[in-house]
Amino acid sequence: DAGITQSPRHKVTETGTPVTLRCHQTENHRYMYWYRQDPGHGLRLIHYSYGVKDTDKGEVSDGYSVSRSKTEDFLLTLESATSSQTSVYFCAISESEGWVTEAFFGQGTRLTVV
Amino acid sequence: QKEVEQDPGPLSVPEGAIVSLNCTYSNSAFQYFMWYRQYSRKGPELLMYTYSSGNKEDGRFTAQVDKSSKYISLFIRDSQPSDSATYLCAMNYGNKLVFGAGTILRVKS
Repeated sequence: DAGITQSPRHKVTETGTPVTLRCHQTENHRYMYWYRQDPGHGLRLIHYSYGVKDTDKGEVSDGYSVSRSKTEDFLLTLESATSSQTSVYFCAISESEGWVTEAFFGQGTRLTVV
Repeated sequence: QKEVEQDPGPLSVPEGAIVSLNCTYSNSAFQYFMWYRQYSRKGPELLMYTYSSGNKEDGRFTAQVDKSSKYISLFIRDSQPSDSATYLCAMNYGNKLVFGAGTILRVKS
């Protein structure tokens, strides 16, 4: 596996609580992504980063925020968790400049909001 | 309408069969076309990618792109039980990847 670590791997949280997921890379890749995966929807982009403190929204960004204060860490925060945010969250990294062709994925974080 | 459409399956085939997996897309701006494989409870891994229309072969796998029809395919020859996984097509828009829903493939021994 590429040097990507997601933490935690599993989490159960209550509706309305904030939750932070962490992605840590050891590859020094410029681009980092957060996706969520749900049955029937595949992987959908939440937010991505193209450098330290440089982030942008993806397809399903409502209710999520991100931060990247160091090259190696990309944090995803659910500001007030809802049941619709129950999902598997994947972090990915890429070194591609221009048009990305390959992204390396972490093992995923399984989040349940009750 | 989703930018990338993919039949989720599941697709069940006997060992040794030829498998055909397909995606259609609507955005003509997509430049590269990729296939990722995802085993259960793991992250996706890139299988192969193509740029232009035509075929690209890698061992038992062949990726085919028809830009005029906005249609891509992945063929698996001599399928093995170890090929059982979810196969996701993906296309890029700048530095972002757009994925299909994924097709679940089961190869029975």
